[in-house]
Amino acid sequence: QVQLVQSGAEVKKPGASVKVSCKGVEYDISTYEINWLRQAAGQGPEWMGWMNPKSGATGYARNFHDRLTLTRDISMNTAYMELGSLKSDDTAVYFCAIRGLSAPFSWGQGTPVTVSA
Amino acid sequence: DIVLTQSPQVLAVSLGGRATINCTSSQTVFYNSNNKDYLAWFQQRPGQPPKLLIHWASLRESGVPDRFRGSGSATHFTLTINDLRAEDVAVYYCQQYIEIPCNFGQGTKLEI
Repeated sequence: QVQLVQSGAEVKKPGASVKVSCKGVEYDISTYEINWLRQAAGQGPEWMGWMNPKSGATGYARNFHDRLTLTRDISMNTAYMELGSLKSDDTAVYFCAIRGLSAPFSWGQGTPVTVSA
Repeated sequence: DIVLTQSPQVLAVSLGGRATINCTSSQTVFYNSNNKDYLAWFQQRPGQPPKLLIHWASLRESGVPDRFRGSGSATHFTLTINDLRAEDVAVYYCQQYIEIPCNFGQGTKLEI
């Protein structure tokens, strides 16, 4: 069964960076595109970007273009999301999700990120 | 960017009843080349990630009961839930995936 396991909760100060990992379990991450999304409390999901783990190609939402970096380590079967220059309104739960030809069909459990002075 | 607007924001339905949730897109999500609508519906229970219910506007994901039905095309879509059960209490979101950013609607909270 395809599964994604994310790293644990993070607390960061404004201006810092956070790096969240997303490990594929029982499947090869090269198989599917990986999307990254976040969800602030009481809000709907916000799509951040995508990565093709096989080629390394990425695409970012304009809102995050200069702060977001998506990478992967094929040998570790893991994808990474790094968000820099954190602000208080970056406080949210961050998700990775895998996508075939249509919508994201399997999601990680989520990683809470709190940005606070 | 494509904006998805859901209605209503909150919906209260009796057990065994029918829930109807609407999603309107600011631009068409229908792609002529393959005759498909790039629209999905998700269910999110508290403390859990969203769960894909419907994709290509009307195709149920494997394991999703046939009480859940997606319909519509181009810019107007509907999620219908028949024979409502207590476990259906959740927030429901539509998402378009025809272009990035793959935005979501603001959600509809379904209550019993």
